[in-house]
Amino acid sequence: SQELEQSPQSLIVQEGKNLTINCTSSKTLYGLYWYKQKYGEGLIFLMMLQKGGEEKSHEKITAKLDEKKQQSSLHITASQPSHAGIYLCGADSQGAQKLVFGQGTRLTINP
Amino acid sequence: GAGVSQSPRYKVTKRGQDVTLRCDPISSHATLYWYQQALGQGPEFLTYFNYEAQPDKSGLPSDRFSAERPEGSISTLTIQRTEQRDSAMYRCASSGGMGGEQFFGPGTRLTVL
Repeated sequence: SQELEQSPQSLIVQEGKNLTINCTSSKTLYGLYWYKQKYGEGLIFLMMLQKGGEEKSHEKITAKLDEKKQQSSLHITASQPSHAGIYLCGADSQGAQKLVFGQGTRLTINP
Repeated sequence: GAGVSQSPRYKVTKRGQDVTLRCDPISSHATLYWYQQALGQGPEFLTYFNYEAQPDKSGLPSDRFSAERPEGSISTLTIQRTEQRDSAMYRCASSGGMGGEQFFGPGTRLTVL
């Protein structure tokens, strides 16, 4: 079965600094999703990547899928307090209609 | 509706009791998913529906867990004879088609005492 490993598990950065979260898959990725989880809320969809080498940006968040389609990174530029939360990567499980998730990365932004 | 809603948001029950959780997906969405999320972990797949059909129940932990979607819209997840290990956040998601972006509800936090 496919497994996703996120690193780091937690991250504390000073406001204004850049940061990167990684998601590594045990198998080839056919669809990779990034979600953000805030306390008391549902998972908020950020971006989806499907093609090797693909890169997408939304505001100050950029996600990439490597050429071999086994690793994705999420990069936040000039972090803000609103970026705090738990970031989850999820992958389409080939042949099955479900997402497999990583364990999450807890991001704290210090003022 | 505008988004996925779940009820109740919080449920505390005693071990051995049955509980039923409800999910109201986005109205136009054919596919509905249930996930279980333990504290500090990512969501884990339980089951999904395509309209009222339930093609995959492989993630349900035991036969105490069951889900329904009789009219292809609202779904319920029932846990019979709850155990403390069932304590978790239960998340529902819906999508417009199989394999598309999944929109998640706020979840139901279940605590079994």
